Amino acid sequence: GNSVTQMEGPVTLSEEAFLTINCTYTATGYPSLFWYVQYPGEGLQLLLKATKADDKGSNKGFEATYRKETTSFHLEKGSVQVSDSAVYFCALVDSGAGSYQLTFGKGTKLSVIP
Amino acid sequence: GAGVSQTPSNKVTEKGKYVELRCDPISGHTALYWYRQSLGQGPEFLIYFQGTGAADDSGLPNDRFFAVRPEGSVSTLKIQRTERGDSAVYLCASSPMGGNGYTFGSGTRLTVV
Repeated sequence: GNSVTQMEGPVTLSEEAFLTINCTYTATGYPSLFWYVQYPGEGLQLLLKATKADDKGSNKGFEATYRKETTSFHLEKGSVQVSDSAVYFCALVDSGAGSYQLTFGKGTKLSVIP
Repeated sequence: GAGVSQTPSNKVTEKGKYVELRCDPISGHTALYWYRQSLGQGPEFLIYFQGTGAADDSGLPNDRFFAVRPEGSVSTLKIQRTERGDSAVYLCASSPMGGNGYTFGSGTRLTVV
């Protein structure tokens, strides 16, 4: 079956530090990959996505590259801000399996301190 | 509407009771999904509707859980004989059709006491 493994948190960083949240996946087909973010008290929001190998998704200074050879989709940001404090979820959709369900990782809580 | 609306936002119920959770998707979105998010975990898939029919219900944990979407728009997740282990946030998402472009609602926090 499909699965997503992401680094466990919580992660605490100082403002302007570099962020990496690791994500690896297993899939029976050729998945699309996503990062979702959940800010305190809010619903899940799509942060970025990539649909094929070597694609780079980017948004709000965050980036992630679809690496088929290492089955990874690590999230990076060069300089985090306090407003980036949230829970980040890596996810995949394996539409080749005939269903469009998202498979999520457990989430990584990021706290950015001034 | 502008987004996916879920009601109620919070529900407290006694063990053994029946509950209904409602999801109102974005107008025109044919695909609708239910997920369950337990504390400290990522959302877990429950069921996917394409139009009025359940295209994939493989994530429903047991026969106490049932969902309907009779007119291809609003969906209701129904839980019978609730148990304390059912306590979680239930999320609904919709998309224009199966695949990318999901929009999530804010969820219903269900607490079974």
